[in-house]
Amino acid sequence: GAVVSQHPSRVICKSGTSVKIECRSLDFQATTMFWYRQFPKQSLMLMATSNEGSKATYEQGVEKDKFLINHASLTLSTLTVTSAHPEDSSFYICSAREGGGVYNEQFFGPGTRLTVL
Amino acid sequence: AQSVAQPEDQVNVAEGNPLTVKCTYSVSGNPYLFWYVQYPNRGLQFLLKYITGDNLVKGSYGFEAEFNKSQTSFHLKKPSALVSDSALYFCAVRDTNTGFQKLVFGTGTRLLVSP
Repeated sequence: GAVVSQHPSRVICKSGTSVKIECRSLDFQATTMFWYRQFPKQSLMLMATSNEGSKATYEQGVEKDKFLINHASLTLSTLTVTSAHPEDSSFYICSAREGGGVYNEQFFGPGTRLTVL
Repeated sequence: AQSVAQPEDQVNVAEGNPLTVKCTYSVSGNPYLFWYVQYPNRGLQFLLKYITGDNLVKGSYGFEAEFNKSQTSFHLKKPSALVSDSALYFCAVRDTNTGFQKLVFGTGTRLLVSP
């Protein structure tokens, strides 16, 4: 199947700093990318959906100014956690889909574990 | 709004025995159903999906799932469990009626296969 990579896989930062997470589709063009957040022993919660070249659509309760999403190309999306705080510590997973059709497969990255001290 | 329920937090089964992980869903349109598996500190791996057609879907690693429209269920099954099947399993649904066709996940079921 198609491959989605994330970088970094693990990051530790101080409170108040910003962290950028990259998500790349390696062998296909991702028209749509999704960012999820997963707390320990919990399910994946969708944070936002982005289509290449347009602004992301955020889920209710997700602060768009805190979680900046850029989907500048068909193979790269970035999530920037601005002024991170300990409560932002979580496992962030991106997902990419080729095309907009309902039957199109959605592929997941390996995740990034963010720890804010 | 679409939703998925996985009623069991954990399922315990002995190696070699059959396993079932339950999932029920709610959508306004037609469901597009998935099962994913997650190993510790890893992303999700696709197991199988149902779009249309045969209600019994076969997937990776010997897993299969049965779509039951009247019971709105999509239970995951395997005839003979392996210790290596121990992981976190997520059922997910995409409602064909939503704008971006968002994938909504259940809360997950931890499968523990004992030797």
